[in-house]
Amino acid sequence: GQQVMQIPQYQHVQEGEDFTTYCNSSTTLSNIQWYKQRPGGHPVFLIQLVKSGEVKKQKRLTFQFGEAKKNSSLHITATQTTDVGTYFCAGTNNAGNNRKLIWGLGTSLAVNP
Amino acid sequence: GAVVSQHPSWVICKSGTSVKIECRSLDFQATTMFWYRQFPKQSLMLMATSNEGSKATYEQGVEKDKFLINHASLTLSTLTVTSAHPEDSSFYICSARDAALGFSNQPQHFGDGTRLSIL
Repeated sequence: GQQVMQIPQYQHVQEGEDFTTYCNSSTTLSNIQWYKQRPGGHPVFLIQLVKSGEVKKQKRLTFQFGEAKKNSSLHITATQTTDVGTYFCAGTNNAGNNRKLIWGLGTSLAVNP
Repeated sequence: GAVVSQHPSWVICKSGTSVKIECRSLDFQATTMFWYRQFPKQSLMLMATSNEGSKATYEQGVEKDKFLINHASLTLSTLTVTSAHPEDSSFYICSARDAALGFSNQPQHFGDGTRLSIL
């Protein structure tokens, strides 16, 4: 079945360093969403990318959707301790009903102050 | 906006007990809600898709008689873990999509989750 691979699984950075997590899908996606889950919390929607090659920014966060709509990345510039958490990508395709999300395994980010 | 309330937040009960978890969309209507299970430091595992007014769609390997889902209104879905055993202990999270935004390309809004511990 369709899979979404996400790397790295863990990332430990010093505060102020940059961070990037990557997602790759085995099939073409209609859109990809990114979520952040703080320790002990629930996933919170960050952004959705729909168009091929799309780039969106939210302050220090930059999201990209690949030209083939099979991969995506999230880049955080100058990490802060508030960025700690697990970042999940989740994609949908055009097949089937309900358009359920296919989740990546997540990248856990730890930031040393 | 787009608030999803999940109750209870945590449950500790004896083996053999049935536990009901509620998921409510507070400020929007949700024709579809999703029930996930998450083990520590792992990704979300979709258990089932709850459809208002019809039967839930269960993912492969999820026992529908074990995990009963009812979606009786546009703002409420319930998950009942029947005759729970220690292996059912987990973090259960629901999510909902705003029906007013159309069928696809919608973000999911999550409840706070329910931590279930079966002794």
